[in-house]
Amino acid sequence: GQNIDQPTEMTATEGAIVQINCTYQTSGFNGLFWYQQHAGEAPTFLSYNVLDGLEEKGRFSSFLSRSKGYSYLLLKELQMKDSASYLCAVREYNTDKLIFGTGTRLQVFP
Amino acid sequence: DSGVTQTPKHLITATGQRVTLRCSPRSGDLSVYWYQQSLDQGLQFLIQYYNGEERAKGNILERFSAQQFPDLHSELNLSSLELGDSALYFCASSERDATNEKLFFGSGTQLSVL
Repeated sequence: GQNIDQPTEMTATEGAIVQINCTYQTSGFNGLFWYQQHAGEAPTFLSYNVLDGLEEKGRFSSFLSRSKGYSYLLLKELQMKDSASYLCAVREYNTDKLIFGTGTRLQVFP
Repeated sequence: DSGVTQTPKHLITATGQRVTLRCSPRSGDLSVYWYQQSLDQGLQFLIQYYNGEERAKGNILERFSAQQFPDLHSELNLSSLELGDSALYFCASSERDATNEKLFFGSGTQLSVL
């Protein structure tokens, strides 16, 4: 089976740091992606992890622990434009399907 | 602009009808994916094609079908439409079907079934 869990909503203040968690249980694992989706728009790629550890890309970082079935997306120096939904997606090993979680809606306040 | 083109942007139709959604992938991309997004659900994987062949199938209803043509564009056909089929349908593409490839999404087709 497949199950990807993320918090439904989070709020944070401009300039702060926020961590969005994702836990997964899938039929095999072959990589984890994070996408950003503004309301009414298409998802856009943020990061990819396949090995344990932290991947840093500017203000955004993503961490993976395969043994724990756990990932997080860390957003630093939050800006108003970071208000969006953040989608965790797992590539299944056996099927190669890219399965998305329901997303975390982040609201950044001044 | 991701380079993935979806038409139409909006579609309003009645229950029982049939519609066709069209997707043109980025130039050079061989893989096309279809996803359905409802208000209360995340992106639900429907189906993937690679270079004209079906590559993976998700929870796609029997009333839905898709294909990828020799020019690599893809169409998603939805028939005997029900109210619950109202959703945003996304197409995405990637260069190959490697597991580490990111997907580029089109802007979606908003389907409203009345």
